[in-house]
Amino acid sequence: GAVVSQHPSWVICKSGTSVKIECRSLDFQATTMFWYRQFPKQSLMLMATSNEGSKATYEQGVEKDKFLINHASLTLSTLTVTSAHPEDSSFYICSAPPRRARQETQYFGPGTRLLVL
Amino acid sequence: GENVEQHPSTLSVQEGDSAVIKCTYSDSASNYFPWYKQELGKGPQLIIDIRSNVGEKKDQRIAVTLNKTAKHFSLHITETQPEDSAVYFCAASISLYSGGYNKLIFGAGTRLAVHP
Repeated sequence: GAVVSQHPSWVICKSGTSVKIECRSLDFQATTMFWYRQFPKQSLMLMATSNEGSKATYEQGVEKDKFLINHASLTLSTLTVTSAHPEDSSFYICSAPPRRARQETQYFGPGTRLLVL
Repeated sequence: GENVEQHPSTLSVQEGDSAVIKCTYSDSASNYFPWYKQELGKGPQLIIDIRSNVGEKKDQRIAVTLNKTAKHFSLHITETQPEDSAVYFCAASISLYSGGYNKLIFGAGTRLAVHP
């Protein structure tokens, strides 16, 4: 149990376009999901906390108008990178704590590699 | 804010040897400490975790120890195998101001190489 999926697994886009990344909890419900960004050979940096039915909470320094988050259901959160630029190229990973489990445990998706040309 | 330091950044061992990775956290309110294994191009995989009311936890070849007074915790892998080669991240939880969920602060990672 506790499987998290992401789609797409990788995406290449032109500078200035928008890209949507989906994060799904496959066998559990998640009222909260977390979005991370990871640059090569670096650690995971939390970007924002996605809350079902309410606004996302962004970490300091993360532009909320550039990284749009929508948590429309208990199993789906989406991250949209708007007007992507080459510096947005990174590995984006989501995680979710199952509602049935202790609130601390987070399970991660497989990640989405974004390359902006 | 909360900070997690992790050492070493790289670790190379021979197959069958033990590997130890150490982390130190700054927020004394942290009460949950997971360890993740990340293989190249994949998402992190939870391998073991420990809560603050426990000093040690073991799962087959993997063990974690926690010293709350000193605010440090360690991952121990015994009888290492080549498939243990990956990047390992420690993390410490801090409470969010709403929702009741904790967010994780990650260490910088340790790249473990197990040589046959």
